[in-house]
Amino acid sequence: GDSVTQMEGPVTLSEEAFLTINCTYTATGYPSLFWYVQYPGEGLQLLLKATKADDKGSNKGFEATYRKETTSFHLEKGSVQVSDSAVYFCALSARGSQGNLIFGKGTKLSVKP
Amino acid sequence: GAGVSQSPSNKVTEKGKDVELRCDPISGHTALYWYRQSLGQGLEFLIYFQGNSAPDKSGLPSDRFSAERTGGSVSTLTIQRTQQEDSAVYLCASSRSGGGEIYEQYFGPGTRLTVT
Repeated sequence: GDSVTQMEGPVTLSEEAFLTINCTYTATGYPSLFWYVQYPGEGLQLLLKATKADDKGSNKGFEATYRKETTSFHLEKGSVQVSDSAVYFCALSARGSQGNLIFGKGTKLSVKP
Repeated sequence: GAGVSQSPSNKVTEKGKDVELRCDPISGHTALYWYRQSLGQGLEFLIYFQGNSAPDKSGLPSDRFSAERTGGSVSTLTIQRTQQEDSAVYLCASSRSGGGEIYEQYFGPGTRLTVT
């Protein structure tokens, strides 16, 4: 079945460091891909999405590019801030599905000042 | 506007008891999803409602789990004869529509269920 694999955490970075969180997927056809974020004490929020190959999703300085050839959707940010500390989830929605999301396990990011 | 709300925020129950969890979606959202977030399994899809259509129950882990959605709005997830492995955070999400077009899902704060 469809699945999402993302890098294990936790990830600890210093402020202004470069961030990469790897995400790969297995799916039939071409799914839509998402990154969700869960800040401490808050609910899940959509961070960015891409619905077709080579699309780049971006928001709040974060970017991810839908790579069909490597079935990947890695999350990147050039300079992280303390306020980016959160748990990040990669997810897919299969083409033709009801829109239900299949999530990776999540990666906890801690940014130190 | 108001977001997705869920109640209760926390629920502690004894093994074998039944529990009901409630979700109020964003007004006008026709699609509603239930997910479960647990340490061992991560985030899992449970059930999907689209308007007044029959739900997609493909993610429900056992027949102890059921859900309904009244009037295409409020939804209740019921777990009968709770087991310790049911302990998790139950999340509800709604979106403008499901299937076909991909719309953002808005998540509620969740109900943390602890089965003792």
